[in-house]
Amino acid sequence: AQRVTQPEKLLSVFKGAPVELKCNYSYSGSPELFWYVQYSRQRLQLLLRHISRESIKGFTADLNKGETSFHLKKPFAQEEDSAMYYCAPNPTQGGSEKLVFGKGTKLTVNP
Amino acid sequence: KAGVTQTPRYLIKTRGQQVTLSCSPISGHRSVSWYQQTPGQGLQFLFEYFSETQRNKGNFPGRFSGRQFSNSRSEMNVSTLELGDSALYLCASGLAGGGTDTQYFGPGTRLTVL
Repeated sequence: AQRVTQPEKLLSVFKGAPVELKCNYSYSGSPELFWYVQYSRQRLQLLLRHISRESIKGFTADLNKGETSFHLKKPFAQEEDSAMYYCAPNPTQGGSEKLVFGKGTKLTVNP
Repeated sequence: KAGVTQTPRYLIKTRGQQVTLSCSPISGHRSVSWYQQTPGQGLQFLFEYFSETQRNKGNFPGRFSGRQFSNSRSEMNVSTLELGDSALYLCASGLAGGGTDTQYFGPGTRLTVL
């Protein structure tokens, strides 16, 4: 069965500190991997996806196939990064699988 | 392009009633997915429609149903409402749907069941 785990419900860091939001998944096959973010009073939106290999707002995410993880990282957190972050490893079988989001990690960046 | 819109934004119903929520996807998007968001369970997938056909379904009871129209607009219906159905219902659209597609989310409909 498909499973995605974000082990930290809450994560608090100080401005300028590195931050890592963890995501572990259990999937058959090779999923496409996404991180979505929801800022306060805004709608949920895509932050980044693995296939693009982009760095968005200073965030990167490395796929570790051996550990089946897709942790989100940023070397220097900013207060505006405070938000809810959702990991979403999604199947690539072309519409035959359910879409699954992790339960999310609430990041708070303190001044 | 205009974003995903959902109506109504807020709803208050009583137990036993039924409710219909509406979602208009981004122009050109043919996939519409519905999610239930609660503080305890996070985002839970309800179902996905593509070209008027339900393509995927989550683990929700049959009281939850949906449909998609030829213009890709979608509606979700919940019958015989229960207190536990109180949640934010999110709709997301995508070009092709499925696991490789980026989801574009609407603002949600906040449903409160009394």
